[in-house]
Amino acid sequence: GQQLNQSPQSMFIQEGEDVSMNCTSSSIFNTWLWYKQEPGEGPVLLIALYKAGELTSNGRLTAQFGITRKDSFLNISASIPSDVGIYFCAGLIWNQGGKLIFGQGTELSVKP
Amino acid sequence: DAGITQSPRYKITETGRQVTLMCHQTWSHSYMFWYRQDLGHGLRLIYYSAAADITDKGEVPDGYVVSRSKTENFPLTLESATRSQTSVYFCASSSLDWTNNNEQFFGPGTRLTVL
Repeated sequence: GQQLNQSPQSMFIQEGEDVSMNCTSSSIFNTWLWYKQEPGEGPVLLIALYKAGELTSNGRLTAQFGITRKDSFLNISASIPSDVGIYFCAGLIWNQGGKLIFGQGTELSVKP
Repeated sequence: DAGITQSPRYKITETGRQVTLMCHQTWSHSYMFWYRQDLGHGLRLIYYSAAADITDKGEVPDGYVVSRSKTENFPLTLESATRSQTSVYFCASSSLDWTNNNEQFFGPGTRLTVL
């Protein structure tokens, strides 16, 4: 079945640094979604991407839908302690009945 | 309350017992999903539903049963709980209009422990 390879698995950064994470696949996706999950909570949608090449921002977060439709990246600029959490990418293929394929997550730790 | 809710938030049960996890959404989304989240496995789809009375298996459906008699509710039942079903369960919903509205929104989760 389809798989998403998300990297890195974890990151330990200093407050103020920029962060970059990405997801790649051998499959073509129609939609890319980026979620953040904090301990004890459900994933919260950060950014949704619908077109190849699309670049979308949400505050300090920027995500792009890869031109080949097989990858996506998420950047966080000027990280702050509340950015701590696990970030997941998810891809959707229209002929798969609406099912999302999730990456394994990137655990972000921010040192004040 | 608006949004998607799950109950209970925490549940401890014993092996062999039947357990039902509830999920309710107020958006009238047509699609609803059940996932389990375990360390090392990320989020895995158990079952999903495209509309009332329409359900389909996901990646890990064995040992689970779902129903969808009303659009807003999507209960997940463990007919005879096993220790391997100890996990955190998330419900999600989506309108999925296949154009620019494919976001899935997640509930807060139910942490289930099977002793």
